[in-house]
Amino acid sequence: EAGVAQSPRYKIIEKRQSVAFWCNPISGHATLYWYQQILGQGPKLLIQFQNNGVVDDSQLPKDRFSAERLKGVDSTLKIQPAKLEDSAVYLCASSSSGGNEKLFFGSGTQLSVL
Amino acid sequence: RKEVEQDPGPFNVPEGATVAFNCTYSNSASQSFFWYRQDCRKEPKLLMSVYSSGNEDGRFTAQLNRASQYISLLIRDSKLSDSATYLCSFGSARQLTFGSGTQLTVLP
Repeated sequence: EAGVAQSPRYKIIEKRQSVAFWCNPISGHATLYWYQQILGQGPKLLIQFQNNGVVDDSQLPKDRFSAERLKGVDSTLKIQPAKLEDSAVYLCASSSSGGNEKLFFGSGTQLSVL
Repeated sequence: RKEVEQDPGPFNVPEGATVAFNCTYSNSASQSFFWYRQDCRKEPKLLMSVYSSGNEDGRFTAQLNRASQYISLLIRDSKLSDSATYLCSFGSARQLTFGSGTQLTVLP
């Protein structure tokens, strides 16, 4: 079974530039999550989708971050404009349903903002 | 009080030792509990779920104490390959919240 696919693996940008990350969840998984993991910290939920609807985006900095999952399958997370403090690993995860189910993570995108 | 509190460590133990981690949570509505393992520069991977009655998977034992709102992970007969960061996770009806992780290094 294919796992959660993410790209790119690494990204280096300058502050105020924009960047986008892509995620394709495990086939058939209805719930998709984007987490931000800053070095030395645990993953912090940015946004959760159930199919193509947003379940929770309370911790998403909406002035600069946006995410979509238009067809209920793959998803894109965008940052515009990036700040130095956005340097982190962005992890996508999926589960067959939401909340109480175990998550399967992709390998993440390591973002460095200079 | 933080939503999730974990001792960051690091825990440095010799091979063969027994080591235990605790993780406390503040949301009494939490319904599901997990331990994840994260290797350096890798994604978290589920180690085990934690059930009310406690559960064991080989050298790993997980316990849940709802009254005191914490979960624990016990690793017996530590191996070098157990070196990693261990993240606790708590699920409410809608989302999973992660702790900041406990770093374990098993020394030869």
